[in-house]
Amino acid sequence: QKEVEQNSGPLSVPEGAIASLNCTYSDRGSQSFFWYRQYSGKSPELIMFIYSNGDKEDGRFTAQLNKASQYVSLLIRDSQPSDSATYLCAGFSGGYQKVTFGIGTKLQVIP
Amino acid sequence: EAQVTQNPRYLITVTGKKLTVTCSQNMNHEYMSWYRQDPGLGLRQIYYSMNVEVTDKGDVPEGYKVSRKEKRNFPLILESPSPNQTSLYFCASTLRTGVYEQYFGPGTRLTVT
Repeated sequence: QKEVEQNSGPLSVPEGAIASLNCTYSDRGSQSFFWYRQYSGKSPELIMFIYSNGDKEDGRFTAQLNKASQYVSLLIRDSQPSDSATYLCAGFSGGYQKVTFGIGTKLQVIP
Repeated sequence: EAQVTQNPRYLITVTGKKLTVTCSQNMNHEYMSWYRQDPGLGLRQIYYSMNVEVTDKGDVPEGYKVSRKEKRNFPLILESPSPNQTSLYFCASTLRTGVYEQYFGPGTRLTVT
């Protein structure tokens, strides 16, 4: 069974808007979560990781974690066309010592 | 420069012809992993290694083998490739499991005819 769920999209937002990407997970043993950005045909690159409940901000990006509700989100403020990519949510399970990825959400930022 | 390298980057082969995809990292990372990425299925872990001589199955290990004889290298072996192994493969490494970032190689696009 899939442990990390994402809507595949595409999610379309106008340039300058806030893009909100969501992810839910089923393994309550998941300890930390990662958001990766992947351009078509390229390898994933890390945007942020989070392991504590609450918000974590880095520039235009804010990651949110709610362990009680088992969801993780990524907000991208002032979205730019260069943000158009697929965003992968991943969770690390300490019990299984492995990282599980969601299928990714395709984001399109419209100029 | 800290990096994960994979070779080859592109490979077209025929069913049943054994092949090896190499992966090497220069960051002294303990944990290495192989993923395959297919449309609509995302990244799925094939095998992982927590350190030298320590490997374990991921979610889709059937048809693959790995070895970790040296810390820096983690080759992926397909002893008898089949068309359903046509995919984009990524090797990744991380210092240790937990909150540490995974660094991904550039990917190997494999086609099995």
